[in-house]
Amino acid sequence: DGGITQSPKYLFRKEGQNVTLSCEQNLNHDAMYWYRQDPGQGLRLIYYSQIVNDFQKGDIAEGYSVSREKKESFPLTVTSAQKNPTAFYLCASSYPQGRGHTEAFFGQGTRLTVV
Amino acid sequence: AQKVTQAQTEISVVEKEDVTLDCVYETRDTTYYLFWYKQPPSGELVFLIRRNSFDEQNEISGRYSWNFQKSTSSFNFTITASQVVDSAVYFCALTSGNTPLVFGKGTRLSVIA
Repeated sequence: DGGITQSPKYLFRKEGQNVTLSCEQNLNHDAMYWYRQDPGQGLRLIYYSQIVNDFQKGDIAEGYSVSREKKESFPLTVTSAQKNPTAFYLCASSYPQGRGHTEAFFGQGTRLTVV
Repeated sequence: AQKVTQAQTEISVVEKEDVTLDCVYETRDTTYYLFWYKQPPSGELVFLIRRNSFDEQNEISGRYSWNFQKSTSSFNFTITASQVVDSAVYFCALTSGNTPLVFGKGTRLSVIA
């Protein structure tokens, strides 16, 4: 089935550690996104990528890094520089702007907790 | 800058009541796209509808209906005869087409049996 797969569903991190969240899509979408969700804050954009080997910072990119080596994959690394990483992370994909403006499809999310 | 405001943080209704979720947006672009998503307790966002700025027709899909009014920059969502399964967080979102979606803070709807 086509869709977006995020793993793991739950992730625990010790303070000072880097962790990587996986996001894979088989929808043949060019654009991929990472959003962070905190209670009462809605979804805030961390990074996005419209084509392979290119990505842009969103509103809250500090303390995060991404790569886009393959069209299907857009992993997010939460670094130790991110002071408050406990949150729900959502990955999404869509056709890039200017090519039909379809809706974004979302994965099931990864809940990251710092212990 | 684009902005989406969902002023209702939480709404509780009794089953079978109608409920309207408000969405007000801000954009300087003449062409833009509006969306509604549903987030059930499982966490995944489910797409409900997309509306183009040049199409102000209201839309009905089963118990769901959407009222798009450019004059008031609003894109409201009504659920008729609400059911317990409608309980979720609902997000309104906006894009001009050359930027990622901008989301409102969401409205948590609780439908009580």
